[in-house]
Amino acid sequence: EAGVVQSPRYKIIEKKQPVAFWCNPISGHNTLYWYRQNLGQGPELLIRYENEEAVDDSQLPKDRFSAERLKGVDSTLKIQPAELGDSAVYLCASSYGTGNEQYFGPGTRLTVT
Amino acid sequence: AQTVTQSQPEMSVQEAETVTLSCTYDTSESDYYLFWYKQPPSRQMILVIRQEAYKQQNATENRFSVNFQKAAKSFSLKISDSQLGDAAMYFCAFSGSEKLVFGKGTKLTVNP
Repeated sequence: EAGVVQSPRYKIIEKKQPVAFWCNPISGHNTLYWYRQNLGQGPELLIRYENEEAVDDSQLPKDRFSAERLKGVDSTLKIQPAELGDSAVYLCASSYGTGNEQYFGPGTRLTVT
Repeated sequence: AQTVTQSQPEMSVQEAETVTLSCTYDTSESDYYLFWYKQPPSRQMILVIRQEAYKQQNATENRFSVNFQKAAKSFSLKISDSQLGDAAMYFCAFSGSEKLVFGKGTKLTVNP
């Protein structure tokens, strides 16, 4: 069974530029999560989807971050414009329902210069 | 809001020895899940072990076991017969009615 797939693995951009991350969850997992992990810290939830509905986006900086999960499968996370403080690893995870174990992708390491 | 505290930023263990990683949490909920995740330098977060709060029996998974003390809100991870491949960041996580909350992690070094 394929795991959670994320792309790109690495991205370097200049500040004020846009960037997008893509995630393909494990087949059959209806819940999808985007996390941000700063260096030396645990992941922090940005947004949680149940199917195509964003049910928790309270930690998503909505002035510059946006996300979508069309058709309740793949998801994209976008930052526009990026700031220096956005440098982090962005992790996608999926699960079957909420409360069950989450399976994580390899993450995208974003560097904003 | 739930919080998860890992009081040991770094731990080290000799190969084949046993090490225990500490985790405490704070919640007013009675029904929840607790997890230990491992994150090697390659960055992929891997589930190590899971505990349902309603179960009194401590979860075990091969060389990994937990000591779950619900009243004390403590959830420690014991790694027996440590192997070089166990070296990683270990994150304790809590999942209740809301989101999954992670601790700040413990970096485990395994010395040959």
